[in-house]
Amino acid sequence: GQQVMQIPQYQHVQEGEDFTTYCNSSTTLSNIQWYKQRPGGHPVFLIQLVKSGEVKKQKRLTFQFGEAKKNSSLHITATQTTDVGTYFCAGSRTGNQFYFGTGTSLTVIP
Amino acid sequence: KAGVTQTPRYLIKTRGQQVTLSCSPISGHRSVSWYQQTPGQGLQFLFEYFSETQRNKGNFPGRFSGRQFSNSRSEMNVSTLELGDSALYLCASSLGTQQMDGYTFGSGTRLTVV
Repeated sequence: GQQVMQIPQYQHVQEGEDFTTYCNSSTTLSNIQWYKQRPGGHPVFLIQLVKSGEVKKQKRLTFQFGEAKKNSSLHITATQTTDVGTYFCAGSRTGNQFYFGTGTSLTVIP
Repeated sequence: KAGVTQTPRYLIKTRGQQVTLSCSPISGHRSVSWYQQTPGQGLQFLFEYFSETQRNKGNFPGRFSGRQFSNSRSEMNVSTLELGDSALYLCASSLGTQQMDGYTFGSGTRLTVV
């Protein structure tokens, strides 16, 4: 079956430091999505990437899709306590069914 | 517009019982996907229904089943509950087409099996 791996599993950073989570697929993806789940909450859609090498930004968040469409990354610049949560990538080969990575739990120390 | 509604929010069942969970997607969304979330295991895909048909299925035993009605509402059923079935069950609504945007998740049903 389709496998989407995510590293690291956990990350603790001081407030103001940068953070990056990486997502790797065993197969070429058509799309990749990123979600954020706050503690006690449910995943919330952040963004979708569809093109090889695509880079998208949302304020302090930068999302990249690899050239081979097998990997992706989410980078947060100057983390804030509001960034706390688990970040999931979700990859699809078909464009309409997504398989989630294991998630990266981010803790921001004030 | 109204979000994705999952009922009930919490359930406590004993081993061997069965349970039915409900999900009402966003109006106009024809796809409903179900996920099981446990600590450290991320989101495990159960199945997806699109226009009343199961379109995709994950690697869960046959005790886990689902269905979708003509109004796109979906139910999932777990029979002969085991302790390991304790988890947060999330329903995700989407257009289900290749032009789909992201999933919209419900708040989940937290199932505890004792």
